[in-house]
Parts: sequence; structure tokens; C-alpha cells
Amino acid sequence: NAGVTQTPKFQVLKTGQSMTLQCAQDMNHEYMSWYRQDPGMGLRLIHYSVGAGITDQGEVPNGYNVSRSTTEDFPLRLLSAAPSQTSVYFCASSFSTGGSYNSPLHFGNGTRLTVT
Amino acid sequence: DQQVKQNSPSLSVQEGRISILNCDYTNSMFDYFLWYKKYPAEGPTFLISISSIKDKNEDGRFTVFLNKSAKHLSLHIVPSQPGDSAVYFCAASAKGAQKLVFGQGTRLTINP
Repeated sequence: NAGVTQTPKFQVLKTGQSMTLQCAQDMNHEYMSWYRQDPGMGLRLIHYSVGAGITDQGEVPNGYNVSRSTTEDFPLRLLSAAPSQTSVYFCASSFSTGGSYNSPLHFGNGTRLTVT
Repeated sequence: DQQVKQNSPSLSVQEGRISILNCDYTNSMFDYFLWYKKYPAEGPTFLISISSIKDKNEDGRFTVFLNKSAKHLSLHIVPSQPGDSAVYFCAASAKGAQKLVFGQGTRLTINP
């Protein structure tokens, strides 16, 4: 019963490097999303997807790309890492409607990213 | 523009007493509200929710109150236990919006 699995758990990048944060869920959830958590800022939505082939921007999408080729996977790509992207990243999924109306979000355990 | 605000970064409560965590929102289109609990090195987990058609929802030791006129909700934990020590996030959603908006979080510490 894995739920939402995020890899890696920790990552250090140099400015300008690229990388992909992986997220997979085994609950057959249609909705998936990426949040970042920063001190004093709470959780802010980066991108989300309501189903395979459909993605949309959240509150803080700049510097990040996503794609949703399968129901299970929702990778987050940093094309050119910047120190401002140092954060803890959480992937979350739910059956529908973005985590409300009796379909709460299920979160992974996060990826802690440091950009130097 | 912070649409969901938790103005207390931290709260310390004695074991057995009541913990009250507060949350304010500005968007009148929000119609569903949730509380999530987060332990260190883990992802947030859903705790309790309330629809805007209600003013109270109770689940065991946890009760959420909604005051729509004041755009304010609160989470009551009675009695507080050491395992309740965590960061609590308030979140809100507008109908059809397909996304949750979270507050900054409040770190609750339960002292023995």
C-alpha cells in the first residue's frame, strides 16, 4: 500500500543544473499536484493535473514544467535551477476536484531540494 | 496576496488542555475548508473538513468551527495529547476551482 511515492528524498543542485522530481501514485487518482513548502509561506501550488494529458498552472509555476502521460506518474522538471527554488517539494493526489468535497489530498513524504 | 492566513506561527499547550488553532480567509468564494496535520520529514495528512453549509464538524477529539460572516475557522483539540504536536495547515477550496489554497501553518507543541 505505497500511496504517493516521491523520489529522491534529498537533492543538492548547482545553479543552472536541471533535474526531475519523480512522483508516482498507486491509488488510481485522477488528480495530481505539486506544492512547495517554504518557511512562513505554507504550501504553495506549483502545477496540477486533472487527468492524463491535462496540466495547468498553480500559484507559483515559473521555473517548473510538468507533464502527465499516465494516470500514475506526474514528474516535476526544473530546467535551470536557481537558489530561489531551494525548498521542500510535495506531490499530492486525490480522486477528483483538487482535494475537496470528500476527496482529500494524499501527500507524499517530500523531496528536500537545495540549490547552491 | 495570502487568501488563507494562520496568524499564529506557533502555539504551546499543556497536555490535557484544549488547543485552539485559528485560520482566516479573504476569498468569499471558498466553500470547503480542511485541516491537515504534518509531522517532521513526512507529508501532510488530512485531519478534518467542513463545508460552508455547516458551522461545526466534529470527529472524536477534533472539532472545526466555521464563522462565515467573519471569514474565520478554528480547530479545537480536546483533550490535547503529546502526539498532537505537529504543524497544522488550514486549507480552502472554491467550488470548481480544482485546487486547494493553504495557510502558512501553525506549529503546535503539547507539553507534558
